[in-house]
Amino acid sequence: GAGVSQTPSNKVTEKGKYVELRCDPISGHTALYWYRQSLGQGPEFLIYFQGTGAADDSGLPNDRFFAVRPEGSVSTLKIQRTERGDSAVYLCASSLIPGELFFGEGSRLTVL
Amino acid sequence: KQEVTQIPAALSVPEGENLVLNCSFTDSAIYNLQWFRQDPGKGLTSLLLIQSSQREQTSGRLNASLDKSSGRSTLYIAASQPGDSATYLCAALLSGSARQLTFGSGTQLTVLP
Repeated sequence: GAGVSQTPSNKVTEKGKYVELRCDPISGHTALYWYRQSLGQGPEFLIYFQGTGAADDSGLPNDRFFAVRPEGSVSTLKIQRTERGDSAVYLCASSLIPGELFFGEGSRLTVL
Repeated sequence: KQEVTQIPAALSVPEGENLVLNCSFTDSAIYNLQWFRQDPGKGLTSLLLIQSSQREQTSGRLNASLDKSSGRSTLYIAASQPGDSATYLCAALLSGSARQLTFGSGTQLTVLP
């Protein structure tokens, strides 16, 4: 596609449930990033993939969060045993040139 | 750890006014600095990217400057329009192996007609 695509755009779930968020990057972009944005704040880094491997996962808040990119294109962010504090907008970005990121419109997660 | 600060958090100006948004960063060893626009409920749109070797970049009514020695960047918007109303975020990329952008909290701009 022309841009970064994220699904679902909105997800409402109950505390303790499992959630998957999907990101489809720009075709040919080797780098993929996940960020989390809370209301009134800038995005915070979660994880960065170069190809299929997670090159930097230092931003993942705890072991309930996990992300994969098995074929070096689409990525899935997985959140286990969701908590109310996980409510945020999860942004995905892809890039070809270091630091030049193109963002999707995000997946808004609400944990009740 | 890189920290990025944006002042003011919110700004309201009448249409036609020129304005400056400020961004400061603590680690001057940056690879580049980028300004983004974010509309409510939307993702981020890149406006300008300044490489560490550059002092400024211009696009239309927008001009971004970078002063690494003082740890500052500014975004200048000329002849503001109501359509410029949005949140503006700056983000710094550190040199070296790190590939993560560090964002400021943004400046919410309202241009009044």
